Amino acid sequence: EAGVTQFPSHSVIEKGQTVTLRCDPISGHDNLYWYRRVMGKEIKFLLHFVKESKQDESGMPNNRFLAERTGGTYSTLKVQPAELEDSGVYFCASSQQGLNYGYTFGSGTRLTVV
Amino acid sequence: GIQVEQSPPDLILQEGANSTLRCNFSDSVNNLQWFHQNPWGQLINLFYIPSGTKQNGRLSATTVATERYSLLYISSSQTTDSGVYFCAGGYQKVTFGIGTKLQVIP
Repeated sequence: EAGVTQFPSHSVIEKGQTVTLRCDPISGHDNLYWYRRVMGKEIKFLLHFVKESKQDESGMPNNRFLAERTGGTYSTLKVQPAELEDSGVYFCASSQQGLNYGYTFGSGTRLTVV
Repeated sequence: GIQVEQSPPDLILQEGANSTLRCNFSDSVNNLQWFHQNPWGQLINLFYIPSGTKQNGRLSATTVATERYSLLYISSSQTTDSGVYFCAGGYQKVTFGIGTKLQVIP
């Protein structure tokens, strides 16, 4: 089966610009998570979708971040306007419904805001 | 929230050596996983192990849920094992530890 796909793999944008990251989970995985690792620090939770619904968005840093999951399939994470401190690696993961399944992570999007 | 403590933070091994990485949790979790971030930045799921012991080749993991810790064993280490090892635990969402940076030298 195809894994979790993230696009783009790298993005360099100027402060104030908008960037949209995309994640395609494994087909049939209802759970979709966004995490990010900033400046070599720990990997932190951003939000969790179950199908198209936001189950938990407690990790979203501020209202410059907007996540959507159209029709319960792929998800996008938009940062508008981007700030320098948003630089880092953004990871998406998916898992099957239920508590007995581990995550499969995508390769991440490395975002650099200059 | 749940606190995750990993040890050691850094580890240098000679190729062929064995090692044990540890992860302590501040509270009970039912979704405990180990990941390897390779030098290309990819996060690879090694084990989903809320309790018990699992083995996959040279790697094995043991979780003692009642004592809120998990161990990752790497035997006969190879240079390709280098990278950062993360444990993560929680319920739906998981909290990551800060990782153990492993370098295996020839």
